[in-house]
Amino acid sequence: GQQVMQIPQYQHVQEGEDFTTYCNSSTTLSNIQWYKQRPGGHPVFLIQLVKSGEVKKQKRLTFQFGEAKKNSSLHITATQTTDVGTYFCLSNTGNQFYFGTGTSLTVIP
Amino acid sequence: GAVVSQHPSRVICKSGTSVKIECRSLDFQATTMFWYRQFPKQSLMLMATSNEGSKATYEQGVEKDKFLINHASLTLSTLTVTSAHPEDSSFYICSASPAGAGQPQHFGDGTRLSIL
Repeated sequence: GQQVMQIPQYQHVQEGEDFTTYCNSSTTLSNIQWYKQRPGGHPVFLIQLVKSGEVKKQKRLTFQFGEAKKNSSLHITATQTTDVGTYFCLSNTGNQFYFGTGTSLTVIP
Repeated sequence: GAVVSQHPSRVICKSGTSVKIECRSLDFQATTMFWYRQFPKQSLMLMATSNEGSKATYEQGVEKDKFLINHASLTLSTLTVTSAHPEDSSFYICSASPAGAGQPQHFGDGTRLSIL
């Protein structure tokens, strides 16, 4: 597997503030998946994006796949304490797995 | 939904012991499973790709003789940490996905290994 640059590495926000994490690849990706790992837990699949420029929403979460299919973002509107965890992207492109380095989100009540 | 079971969830043992961790796909067949290692507050690090019926593919820097992987069936992969030492203490997680392009990974609950 290869790593995909993901920023920021850590983010502390006040509850109610927005949060965004970005994955950037030098390689064109076939798809991008997003996962959330709660502290002490295992990663859980959130969503997959496949099309260039695709945008998907899940309640307060908005996922975007770049036009060039080399970057993706996850945006959380009005964070809640339940959003705490590490978010990372993953792509299965060809025979390669690409892993985002992860963003650890802390939400301060 | 697809479920991956990992066992044991926690192991504490003495230095020099070999430890086997099992990863099972409960309701789907997985020709490929993945093994990861995770240090506190860090992202997952892919260790190896387990291929049913053939040798595992190890990532650069991962010792294949140290971390033995066996994928004997379409629903079971095992990771054996041989002659474990304190520096092998970590959180180990497996994942698998059903066949088909772009299928999401389903992760086991992980195994916390502590070597004394």
